[in-house]
Amino acid sequence: NAGVTQTPKFRILKIGQSMTLQCTQDMNHNYMYWYRQDPGMGLKLIYYSVGAGITDKGEVPNGYNVSRSTTEDFPLRLELAAPSQTSVYFCASTITGGNQPQHFGDGTRLSIL
Amino acid sequence: DAKTTQPPSMDCAEGRAANLPCNHSTISGNEYVYWYRQIHSQGPQYIIHGLKNNETNEMASLIITEDRKSSTLILPHATLRDTAVYYCIPRPGSARQLTFGSGTQLTVLP
Repeated sequence: NAGVTQTPKFRILKIGQSMTLQCTQDMNHNYMYWYRQDPGMGLKLIYYSVGAGITDKGEVPNGYNVSRSTTEDFPLRLELAAPSQTSVYFCASTITGGNQPQHFGDGTRLSIL
Repeated sequence: DAKTTQPPSMDCAEGRAANLPCNHSTISGNEYVYWYRQIHSQGPQYIIHGLKNNETNEMASLIITEDRKSSTLILPHATLRDTAVYYCIPRPGSARQLTFGSGTQLTVLP
C-alpha cells in the first residue's frame, strides 16, 4: 500500500513550457486534491475532484488544468509555465469529503526559470 | 472557516511532553479540529482530529476545551523526529479543503 504517489519529485521548466504533474493513490479514495505551497506559506487549494469525471476549482486555479478519468489518478497540467508557478505541489486524497483526514504525497518541487 | 492563532515557535526537550496550543475562538458547531504536521517540506502528515471530546491515538492526544474555543495537541514523549511545523485546522465535516495557516514550528532539543 503506497498511499499517495507523486512524480516527478523535482523539475525545472523554462518559461512557456508545459508539463504534467502526476498523482496516483491506491487507497480507493474518491476525493482527491491539488495544493501548492510557496516558501514559508501554508498550502493553497488549486483543484479538487470528488470522483472520476468530476473536478472543480479551488482557491488558486488560474494557469492549471486537471482531469480525473480514473479513481486512482489525478494529474495536474501546467500549459504555459510562468515564474509565479514556482512552488511545491502536493496531492492529497481522502475517502469522503466528510470528517475523514486527507493523506498527502511527498510533493513535486517545481522551478520555472 | 474559523480563524486560528498558534504561537509561531516552541522548543521542547527530548523525552518531555510537548504541549502545542491553538486558539480557535470563532469555531462553529460543525467544525472539527484537525492537527497536521509538516516535517522539513515533506507532505503534511495527519496527526489527530476531534469535535468535542478529547481524543488519543498512537501519535498524540488532543484536548479540546468545553467551549471549543481552544485546543491543545500533546506529544507525550517528544523525540528529535517530532521537530516540524504543526498546524491546527478547524474544518467543517462537509468542507472540500483544508485551510492551512502559519502553524507552530516545534523544535525538539537534545
